[in-house]
Amino acid sequence: AAGVIQSPRHLIKEKRETATLKCYPIPRHDTVYWYQQGPGQDPQFLISFYEKMQSDKGSIPDRFSAQQFSDYHSELNMSSLELGDSALYFCASSLVGLAGGPSRAETQYFGPGTRLLVL
Amino acid sequence: AQSVTQLGSHVSVSEGALVLLRCNYSSSVPPYLFWYVQYPNQGLQLLLKYTTGATLVKGINGFEAEFKKSETSFHLTKPSAHMSDAAEYFCAVGSQGNLIFGKGTKLSVKP
Repeated sequence: AAGVIQSPRHLIKEKRETATLKCYPIPRHDTVYWYQQGPGQDPQFLISFYEKMQSDKGSIPDRFSAQQFSDYHSELNMSSLELGDSALYFCASSLVGLAGGPSRAETQYFGPGTRLLVL
Repeated sequence: AQSVTQLGSHVSVSEGALVLLRCNYSSSVPPYLFWYVQYPNQGLQLLLKYTTGATLVKGINGFEAEFKKSETSFHLTKPSAHMSDAAEYFCAVGSQGNLIFGKGTKLSVKP
């Protein structure tokens, strides 16, 4: 079965540079979530999109932005990178359907992650 | 507000022994609970989830978890550990539109 695809898998950037992470959800899934997992930490929710609209926002820095496109893929844009942004970034997707937005019962399927290293 | 606490950041068992990974939750509404596993350098894979109904939930790879409302717990068990079970395990509670994870428990399996 098709899974969530993330690209690139690894990324090295310098401080103050920008980075764009891409996420391709499972086919027919309409909701995308982004999480950040620092070294030895649990995943922290950043932001989510349902039917191309932002549905929830977590601890996402103002330097980061994201969007979901008409084909449901999503991109996380990160500017003015800092050393502390070095982490594993996960994308997850789910099929919410006509519920109007993700609920607490949503099963999220995770991609393999993008490992970002900021030097 | 919702939260999850995983007791024990590191658990070590012998191959063939019982695996017990502890998770307690706090929730002001009926919780939806999940267990995910993360193998080294990989993403999170869903093991099992509890929404409503039967409190004993069976998942993949022989794992199961029991929802106990009176104890606010959702502990993960497996009768007999395999070497391939060595990984990090995360308990999570569904919040509106996202998951709130525990700190994770790293499981080591000794031969």
